[in-house]
Amino acid sequence: SQQGEEDPQALSIQEGENATMNCSYKTSINNLQWYRQNSGRGLVHLILIRSNEREKHSGRLRVTLDTSKKSSSLLITASRAADTASYFCATAAYNQGGKLIFGQGTELSVKP
Amino acid sequence: GAVVSQHPSWVICKSGTSVKIECRSLDFQATTMFWYRQFPKQSLMLMATSNEGSKATYEQGVEKDKFLINHASLTLSTLTVTSAHPEDSSFYICSAGGVSGSYNEQFFGPGTRLTVL
Repeated sequence: SQQGEEDPQALSIQEGENATMNCSYKTSINNLQWYRQNSGRGLVHLILIRSNEREKHSGRLRVTLDTSKKSSSLLITASRAADTASYFCATAAYNQGGKLIFGQGTELSVKP
Repeated sequence: GAVVSQHPSWVICKSGTSVKIECRSLDFQATTMFWYRQFPKQSLMLMATSNEGSKATYEQGVEKDKFLINHASLTLSTLTVTSAHPEDSSFYICSAGGVSGSYNEQFFGPGTRLTVL
């Protein structure tokens, strides 16, 4: 079953703008991960944030985690046309053997 | 990160036939592998968790007799879609699990596109 919800479902921006995607989940987690998927392709792991972390950066990516609200956000700064893809959050709960539950995803379109 | 391969990358079959998809971890031993299904414009749905040497654990609503999973070695898991029907057409993605630090990490394969005519 899907645990997470993401919003927006679709986002269209111009190159150079920032893109923010949000993810909410329902149960306690060990960590939350963000993935990118280009159309018809496999997943690319972007970043992992542990439950005891609040913010994490990787290049143009910034992820926040609020466990009290059971939500996370992914910010892509200075977006590029190559960032066009679907973005998914996935949560891993404790004692679940690493099983990931994916959110519904946000389809990002960056126009040149 | 570790490399996971899937074979075939795409397959077209007739309704009623069975299709086997292989998932291999190329440079590490994976005690656990996961199988996901993704319909167009939708997210990944976990189908089952496969542990080497034991029976797979299927998610609710997934027919274990239709989706046969075998994890005979630490580097290979197979998913067989038996008596495939057009509604089984989907993108099937596997991942191999490892342990890194304090958390379980998954490495995803490139996916297999199944089309059932």
